[in-house]
Amino acid sequence: DTEVTQTPKHLVMGMTNKKSLKCEQHMGHRAMYWYKQKAKKPPELMFVYSYEKLSINESVPSRFSPECPNSSLLNLHLHALQPEDSALYLCASSQVGRPRNEQFFGPGTRLTVL
Amino acid sequence: GENVEQHPSTLSVQEGDSAVIKCTYSDSASNYFPWYKQELGKGPQLIIDIRSNVGEKKDQRIAVTLNKTAKHFSLHITETQPEDSAVYFCAAKGSNTGKLIFGQGTTLQVKP
Repeated sequence: DTEVTQTPKHLVMGMTNKKSLKCEQHMGHRAMYWYKQKAKKPPELMFVYSYEKLSINESVPSRFSPECPNSSLLNLHLHALQPEDSALYLCASSQVGRPRNEQFFGPGTRLTVL
Repeated sequence: GENVEQHPSTLSVQEGDSAVIKCTYSDSASNYFPWYKQELGKGPQLIIDIRSNVGEKKDQRIAVTLNKTAKHFSLHITETQPEDSAVYFCAAKGSNTGKLIFGQGTTLQVKP
């Protein structure tokens, strides 16, 4: 199984809503990532979890709150978002400590903030 | 800081022709260089990668070359097909942080 799954596929939310994005992988990867991607741009790294601990936070606003409840799951909790937060949110996973460190991406959640 | 430049930003070829996308990286200690293909509405898909101790790698119609001295690496697609149409991103793994640094992407259009 070389698949990273993400739910929901699409999400529309108001600026006062609270929602969560979910990501799951069963490849035994111990590193998991959240990226944000705007149209026609490369993915931008937001957070990295290594062995279920937050190892990188790319100065992301606190309205985005990641959580890694176990080695297979990664959540991104959203609260009081702004319209400019509308984007494709991608989850990825990889092995830890391997030189190749290939990252596998999920299909993404298309988020629209009204 | 670490940077990857990718050219061209758009590329249009006839079906059956070859396509070449080039990237230049700034961190001479980078040691891993993946290429991703992203189709509309999908996440990036790893199509080929190369490590810094290898100069070239091929997988059917796709090949990647790496010139460490010049800090260049390139993606070569031969016998292009319409289903090769997508956005392609190169990336380099930063030595200090281990993060992937992406190029800005190339939109490839293969005309039937």
